[in-house]
Amino acid sequence: NAGVIQTPRHKVTGKGQEATLWCEPISGHSAVFWYRQTIVQGLEFLTYFRNQAPIDDSGMPKERFSAQMPNQSHSTLKIQSTQPQDSAVYLCASSRTGTSAETLYFGSGTRLTVL
Amino acid sequence: GDSVTQTEGLVTVTEGLPVKLNCTYQTTYLTIAFFWYVQYLNEAPQVLLKSSTDNKRTEHQGFHATLHKSSSSFHLQKSSAQLSDSALYYCALGGTNAYKVIFGKGTHLHVLP
Repeated sequence: NAGVIQTPRHKVTGKGQEATLWCEPISGHSAVFWYRQTIVQGLEFLTYFRNQAPIDDSGMPKERFSAQMPNQSHSTLKIQSTQPQDSAVYLCASSRTGTSAETLYFGSGTRLTVL
Repeated sequence: GDSVTQTEGLVTVTEGLPVKLNCTYQTTYLTIAFFWYVQYLNEAPQVLLKSSTDNKRTEHQGFHATLHKSSSSFHLQKSSAQLSDSALYYCALGGTNAYKVIFGKGTHLHVLP
């Protein structure tokens, strides 16, 4: 089991450009979460999918962030018109059924730097 | 609302000495579970400890924590810190009736030689 895989590990964009981040959850896990990690805020919840369906995107900045899960083996987080304040580590996590009493399995994250 | 508080942003300890990372919580979740996640530099956060039983000590990799519902706490302790323990530690809680994990802001542990 390779664990949760996130690509790329690092991404540098210019202000106003688009960034797409990829996540492959653990096979058999039905829940996928995206988090943003910064020194100041710690781990911020962005969005949650269960069985590929979007359940909660309350943490997503509405205008420029979007997430999809087109199949059970991958999810994407897209940031349009990136801004310097979007610079952070974006973490994807999966769990077996999605209840928060279960262990979350995290990927190593994508470090996004917006110049 | 539901919250997890980690009072220290940074804890520095000398190798071989005991260390304690504080975690307290407020929650309306039913049937709650508590976690400590550890994140080493440039790695993924991973679960270190998990507990859902009041007053029961849980141990792993030399660390231990005991859930105390009476004081709403789940502090992480180790009797002898190692250089390899230097990492970012998150306290978190979840519930069987919810999907959103509540994380604390994290505590950086720096172990000095």
